[in-house]
Amino acid sequence: NAGVTQTPKFRILKIGQSMTLQCTQDMNHNYMYWYRQDPGMGLKLIYYSVGAGITDKGEVPNGYNVSRSTTEDFPLRLELAAPSQTSVYFCASNRGGENIQYFGAGTRLSVL
Amino acid sequence: DAKTTQPPSMDCAEGRAANLPCNHSTISGNEYVYWYRQIHSQGPQYIIHGLKNNETNEMASLIITEDRKSSTLILPHATLRDTAVYYCIVSGGNTNAGKSTFGDGTTLTVKP
Repeated sequence: NAGVTQTPKFRILKIGQSMTLQCTQDMNHNYMYWYRQDPGMGLKLIYYSVGAGITDKGEVPNGYNVSRSTTEDFPLRLELAAPSQTSVYFCASNRGGENIQYFGAGTRLSVL
Repeated sequence: DAKTTQPPSMDCAEGRAANLPCNHSTISGNEYVYWYRQIHSQGPQYIIHGLKNNETNEMASLIITEDRKSSTLILPHATLRDTAVYYCIVSGGNTNAGKSTFGDGTTLTVKP
């Protein structure tokens, strides 16, 4: 069972470039989340979705965009990458009812 | 969601019980206590959760005080593989779209 799959695992961007971090889950979960984790810190919620077509901002949404056209996929778009977006990004999903989140392995992004 | 307070770090001898405390004095009646852990830079992994009764599963036990203002995660026989960052989270589940605030957690180091 694949669970939550994130691609790519690593990426280096130049300042001002754009990219999309991919996240897909095969558990038919309604809820999906994007977090970022800076070195030595906890996770901060960027965006979340409670179902296809519905997204909302978390704690740190600036500089990011999301879409949720299907239950399975929840891509995170970085526009005009900045060094402050250097971080590890985690995607998670939750079937709802209880807050048990399943996490992907993360994408390590450096903006230079 | 209620905020939580955890010690930044703890040590434990291999084979001994690891007791990780968490304060959540502003928890409300419908909020559960969840514990996750993050090994190295992997995605966080769910461990256990509870409302007011003590809970046990194959990974750990959760003891919640009667006033629900604090809890303790117990790893009964810690191994070197239990070295990780442990996060205590309070969440109302679906009432808040499953959003969670992951603080900085407790770094548990299990020593031989």
